[in-house]
Amino acid sequence: AQSVAQPEDQVNVAEGNPLTVKCTYSVSGNPYLFWYVQYPNRGLQFLLKYITGDNLVKGSYGFEAEFNKSQTSFHLKKPSALVSDSALYFCAVRDIRSTGKLIFGQGTTLQVKP
Amino acid sequence: SAVISQKPSRDICQRGTSLTIQCQVDSQVTMMFWYRQQPGQSLTLIATANQGSEATYESGFVIDKFPISRPNLTFSTLTVSNMSPEDSSIYLCSYFGGGNEQFFGPGTRLTVL
Repeated sequence: AQSVAQPEDQVNVAEGNPLTVKCTYSVSGNPYLFWYVQYPNRGLQFLLKYITGDNLVKGSYGFEAEFNKSQTSFHLKKPSALVSDSALYFCAVRDIRSTGKLIFGQGTTLQVKP
Repeated sequence: SAVISQKPSRDICQRGTSLTIQCQVDSQVTMMFWYRQQPGQSLTLIATANQGSEATYESGFVIDKFPISRPNLTFSTLTVSNMSPEDSSIYLCSYFGGGNEQFFGPGTRLTVL
């Protein structure tokens, strides 16, 4: 079965420091991986994806993620956190064997303190 | 990406009633999806809706409880029937973009009393 795990319920960082939000996956075949962000009382916003190619993918708002096949990880990173980055972050994998639905991790709350 | 909207944005309903949520995309899309996000939880797919065919439901979700319509390539509705407090959730629709990613509507926050 395909699955995604986000081992941290919450990540706390100081503004200006680098941030990492962790994600590991378990899939059959090549993974299609995604990161989404959810601000309070808002829908999900697409940040970035890995389908194939360069292991370091860049996305919206200065975020990037590194695909590591040997560690089955897809961690979200940003060199310098902003208070406005505080939100709920979801990692997801596309189930390409079915209708292509997204399977989401449980989410990680990022808190950036001034 | 296309603009995707949902109505209503939120509602408070009484137990035993039904609510229909509308999802509108400003361009034609083949597949649309309906997800549920229970309080403090992640997203779970309810069903996939293709135009001109019956929706495909995930395990644990049934058509009698969550009937879905997909009358054309820009619109879909999800009805939450015979509601109970356990149905209090955020309901989100989404569609596939051209590059495998899904784009989501703003969600409908439902509270059942």
